[in-house]
Amino acid sequence: EAGVAQSPRYKIIEKRQSVAFWCNPISGHATLYWYQQILGQGPKLLIQFQNNGVVDDSQLPKDRFSAERLKGVDSTLKIQPAKLEDSAVYLCASSLDSSTRNTEAFFGQGTRLTVV
Amino acid sequence: AQSVTQLGSHVSVSEGALVLLRCNYSSSVPPYLFWYVQYPNQGLQLLLKYTSAATLVKGINGFEAEFKKSETSFHLTKPSAHMSDAAEYFCAVTRGGSNYKLTFGKGTLLTVNP
Repeated sequence: EAGVAQSPRYKIIEKRQSVAFWCNPISGHATLYWYQQILGQGPKLLIQFQNNGVVDDSQLPKDRFSAERLKGVDSTLKIQPAKLEDSAVYLCASSLDSSTRNTEAFFGQGTRLTVV
Repeated sequence: AQSVTQLGSHVSVSEGALVLLRCNYSSSVPPYLFWYVQYPNQGLQLLLKYTSAATLVKGINGFEAEFKKSETSFHLTKPSAHMSDAAEYFCAVTRGGSNYKLTFGKGTLLTVNP
């Protein structure tokens, strides 16, 4: 079974530039998550999709971050403009269905963003 | 709101020694609890999970954890550490309600000395 795919693996940009990350979840998984992991901290949920609808985006900085999941499959996360504090690893995860609490979330390898 | 606290940001053990990583939770509803492992430059991999069945949960790679409601704890243990266990370990809890959402602790970095 193919896992969660993310690209790029690494990205370095200057502050105020824009950047986009891509995620392809495991086939058949209805739920997709984007997490931000700052160095030395645990992952923090940015946004959660159920199919192509947003379930939770309460911690997404909407003035600069946006995400979409067209057709309920692939997803992109965009930052515009980037700030120094956005330097982090951005993890994508997917699960079969978020309505069942014991459904396992599978994580991609992440995209490491460095803003200089 | 639900949360987890991992005691000790860094734990160092000798190869063959007991591994004990501590996690305490706070939850207004019966929690589901998880331990994930993250190797360098990798995503998170599920080690084990507690979903209100047996309180002693066995996971992959010889790890296990015990849910203790009276102590609000879910500590991770392994009887004998191996060099390959060196990684960062995260405890996580689900949020209440119908939406499955993982809330993570800050992580504990485990180093294993030869």
